Amino acid sequence: GAVVSQHPSWVICKSGTSVKIECRSLDFQATTMFWYRQFPKQSLMLMATSNEGSKATYEQGVEKDKFLINHASLTLSTLTVTSAHPEDSSFYICSANRGRTETQYFGPGTRLLVL
Amino acid sequence: AQRVTQPEKLLSVFKGAPVELKCNYSYSGSPELFWYVQYSRQRLQLLLRHISRESIKGFTADLNKGETSFHLKKPFAQEEDSAMYYCALSGSARQLTFGSGTQLTVLP
Repeated sequence: GAVVSQHPSWVICKSGTSVKIECRSLDFQATTMFWYRQFPKQSLMLMATSNEGSKATYEQGVEKDKFLINHASLTLSTLTVTSAHPEDSSFYICSANRGRTETQYFGPGTRLLVL
Repeated sequence: AQRVTQPEKLLSVFKGAPVELKCNYSYSGSPELFWYVQYSRQRLQLLLRHISRESIKGFTADLNKGETSFHLKKPFAQEEDSAMYYCALSGSARQLTFGSGTQLTVLP
């Protein structure tokens, strides 16, 4: 149990376009989901906390207008990278808490390449 | 502020040798500590959490509040243990703060 999926697994887009990444909890409900960014050979950096039915909480330095997060249901959160630029190229990973547990279950990640 | 430090970026040991991956943390309250592992081309997955006090794949970790450490240990390393290991801390906001990770390589 506790499977988290992400779609797409990789995406290549032109500079200036917007890209939407989906994160789904497949066999449990997640009131809280998290979005991370990981650069090559570096650790995961928390971008934002996504709460079902309310606005996301962004970490310092993360532009909320650039990285739009929507958590419309208990099993789905989306991250939209608006007007993507090459510097947005990265590996984006989501995770979800199951119930009240502190354990986070991670998706497989989405690799974004902006040309 | 919460902070997790993993001082070793790379660690190599021979098969059958003991291994210890170091993790120190900084947090003013009572944290929950985790070890996550990422095998090559796989997603991050939970290895163990301190409150469970369990042994997974032969690994154990003890929370030492006095030294603010949560080192990961295994008495006899196996080649399949080669992976990236992340120590993480969860505070009151349920957010995870990750250490920078340690790439463990177990040599034959």
